[in-house]
Amino acid sequence: QVQLVESGGGVVQPGRSLRLSCAASGFTFSSYGMHWVRQAPGKGLEWVAVISHDDTFEYCADSMKGRFIISRDNSKNTVFLQMNSLRPEDTAVYYCARDHTLSGENGLDLWGHGTTVTVSS
Amino acid sequence: SSELTQDPTVSVALGQTVTITCQGDSLRSYYASWYQQKPGQAPVLVMYGKNNRPSGIPDRFSGSSSGDTASLTITGAQAEDEADYYCNSRDSSGNPWVFGGGTKMTVL
Repeated sequence: QVQLVESGGGVVQPGRSLRLSCAASGFTFSSYGMHWVRQAPGKGLEWVAVISHDDTFEYCADSMKGRFIISRDNSKNTVFLQMNSLRPEDTAVYYCARDHTLSGENGLDLWGHGTTVTVSS
Repeated sequence: SSELTQDPTVSVALGQTVTITCQGDSLRSYYASWYQQKPGQAPVLVMYGKNNRPSGIPDRFSGSSSGDTASLTITGAQAEDEADYYCNSRDSSGNPWVFGGGTKMTVL
């Protein structure tokens, strides 16, 4: 079954860290770029980070740069999002999504169900 | 910074045609992709590239682009099409990917 399954969300205090995971199955994970996208409660989608299929390119949104780090382990078919120095405004559902070419021509064609991160004291 | 602008809301009568637009400088260089999101669910890709529908997306969905504006058209809207719709594109300034603010579509 072709799917992405996120995990690692939870309730965390401001200033603490959390690592999200996204496990892929049913397709050749190492052939796909991967994104993280988040959605704050009642708000729209916000792009967070991207990593190329071979880990030669990665980028985090400017507003999160220096706090969030995206990485992947192709041997485990998993992409990660390390989130440090968390703030209340980071509270959101975090989705992972795949992107075949990172060219913008194919869209994000498979999404996980999301994992919820709540930053609160 | 990069920005894609969408109308916050749109409504359409059942069976009629509706167009949702997305405007931004990045669309002069890159295609938009479009996502449908229903309450409590993950987004689903409904349109990408020049005018491509993923497998399983009804052919009442179509896309187009002109200048800095991309459009998603639903011809013969159905009750199940009621959802939030987001556009997304690559960008060469600021963040390399950007989402529009979303359009909440109501089917009357």
